[in-house]
Amino acid sequence: EAGVTQFPSHSVIEKGQTVTLRCDPISGHDNLYWYRRVMGKEIKFLLHFVKESKQDESGMPNNRFLAERTGGTYSTLKVQPAELEDSGVYFCASSLQGAKGTEAFFGQGTRLTVV
Amino acid sequence: GENVEQHPSTLSVQEGDSAVIKCTYSDSASNYFPWYKQELGKRPQLIIDIRSNVGEKKDQRIAVTLNKTAKHFSLHITETQPEDSAVYFCAAVRDTNKLIFGTGTLLAVQP
Repeated sequence: EAGVTQFPSHSVIEKGQTVTLRCDPISGHDNLYWYRRVMGKEIKFLLHFVKESKQDESGMPNNRFLAERTGGTYSTLKVQPAELEDSGVYFCASSLQGAKGTEAFFGQGTRLTVV
Repeated sequence: GENVEQHPSTLSVQEGDSAVIKCTYSDSASNYFPWYKQELGKRPQLIIDIRSNVGEKKDQRIAVTLNKTAKHFSLHITETQPEDSAVYFCAAVRDTNKLIFGTGTLLAVQP
């Protein structure tokens, strides 16, 4: 069974540019999460989809971040325009019944560097 | 909202020794506490979890304890091996269904 996959694995962009991260959850997992880890800090929640609907986007830093999950399958996270403080590792996770019901499976992350 | 503190940030032990990582949480409504292990360059993976109606859970060399009154939980690894070297994250979940993570502990097991 394929796990959660993220693309790209690394991205280096200049300040002001746009970057789009993609996450393919495990097939059949309605719950999809985006997290971010800034160097040395906690893995911080960004948002939670249930199918195509945003269940909780309280962790999104600001309106430069836009997440979508059209059709309830894969998800994209776009950062536009990118700032230096957006650098970090962006993780996607999926679960069958939500984080407190069943295990959340993580992707390998996208390391974003804004220069 | 929920806040999870994790200590220590780094831990170095000799192979065969035990390692203990401690976390405290702030929201008494949190009811599920998973632990994730992230090896270098790999994805975080669940290694053990505990629910609020249980005080302790063990899986081979790994155990987790939960003290609901004090709002803290701990990961215990016995007979550590070099392959246990990784970053360990604790997390707390309540009805909001999202993981709130601690800041991570870098465990180094010296052969």
